[in-house]
Amino acid sequence: QSVLTQSPSASGTPGQRVTISCTGSDSNIGKNGVSWYRHLPGTAPKLLIFLSDVRPSGVPDRFSGSRSGTSASLTIRGLQPDDESDYFCSTWDDTLNGPVFGGGTRLTV
Amino acid sequence: QVQLQESGPRLVRPSETLTLTCGVSGTSITSASVSIVFFWTWFRRSPGKGLEWIGSIHPSGLTFHNPSVISRVKLSTDKIGNQFSLTFLSVTAADTAVYYCAKDYFSNARRPTVFDVWGQGTLVTVSA
Repeated sequence: QSVLTQSPSASGTPGQRVTISCTGSDSNIGKNGVSWYRHLPGTAPKLLIFLSDVRPSGVPDRFSGSRSGTSASLTIRGLQPDDESDYFCSTWDDTLNGPVFGGGTRLTV
Repeated sequence: QVQLQESGPRLVRPSETLTLTCGVSGTSITSASVSIVFFWTWFRRSPGKGLEWIGSIHPSGLTFHNPSVISRVKLSTDKIGNQFSLTFLSVTAADTAVYYCAKDYFSNARRPTVFDVWGQGTLVTVSA
């Protein structure tokens, strides 16, 4: 069972906007910035968002992140078929003393 | 451009020791400048499950381990080979997974939090 909670699935049609949520607790999201990764099994995970709302260089501005209290979310605007993937949230957990992940949300476009 | 490549056995028998290595190119895992030294981390993803952090090592020797595996895991760096390794003791079928190595985004960080470069992963199956 993952420390962070994500809905197992989400879906949308091309061009739509979809939001993926991630719920944690005071020991993790409540105190630390959140990262988001996309991962297709068999490939290298890709960093999309860090510090809750910062995009690394090269990540399109269709991807945005936010954090409020003990929850965070990833929003993808203008969905594209290539956005089909698993999406994971992650943050530092002060109790575990290490990074923790959500169980992942499989996005279907 | 920093690149990582995992290597190691694809099949390991139960109770044996698994050793994986991550070769690093495009940067040095150790540096005379503390401003460009990173944490180096291992993750895994088991079939049908999410990403799991295993442990992280800093060239200074500082390590962080997932408490669920700390008694079975050893992390090390090889400055000459510019690579780092994961040794997993007494593996079981539950350790079957794709193992990934990754680099921390922030240099000179106090702890490993954001991972911007990942290897492609290597599938390890634990079976007799």
